[in-house]
Amino acid sequence: EAAVTQSPRNKVTVTGGNVTLSCRQTNSHNYMYWYRQDTGHGLRLIHYSYGAGNLQIGDVPDGYKATRTTQEDFFLLLELASPSQTSLYFCASSVQGNSDYTFGSGTRLLVI
Amino acid sequence: SQLAEENSWALSVHEGESVTVNCSYKTSITALQWYRQKSGKGPAQLILIRSNEREKRNGRLRATLDTSSQSSSLSITATRCEDTAVYFCATGGTGNTGKLIFGLGTTLQVQP
Repeated sequence: EAAVTQSPRNKVTVTGGNVTLSCRQTNSHNYMYWYRQDTGHGLRLIHYSYGAGNLQIGDVPDGYKATRTTQEDFFLLLELASPSQTSLYFCASSVQGNSDYTFGSGTRLLVI
Repeated sequence: SQLAEENSWALSVHEGESVTVNCSYKTSITALQWYRQKSGKGPAQLILIRSNEREKRNGRLRATLDTSSQSSSLSITATRCEDTAVYFCATGGTGNTGKLIFGLGTTLQVQP
């Protein structure tokens, strides 16, 4: 069964800390995405990728970097974490844009 | 502003009743998708309806699309407690950029 696996499930870090969120998909999908979900804002796209080595900027990219090392793996990096980045982060994959997305179970990040 | 928006923040019904969630969008589209997110989980796609389709069904779910009024609806018949979730509409416009933009969601509570 197609799957998107995120790790860790929960993470607590201090302001200014360095955090890496990981995502792996076994769907053989080309596209991968990182969203954050916040009350009142819904799901907002941070970065996405068309394939290994490709990176596209989403709608709320400030303070985030991303890297797609293989077709399966997509990482989200917070190099100087701030309390405003406390959120629920979702990774997703799809065959192509505008097709159905498969989401992971999310990573809850708390920056204190 | 959102590319797609659900028209209600929250709905509550009793088991067995039918319910409809409405969505409006702001641009020409190739397709519109409906997702459901249960507590503690990532969103899961329910239906993808293309711009040349007027109706699409998936079991107890029925989606409609009216491109002239730029609106869509998702109806659930014979609701069950397990239908309790947040329902999102999402679209990426007419391009294939991969940027799927989600509405803020409608919270549906199905009571016994």
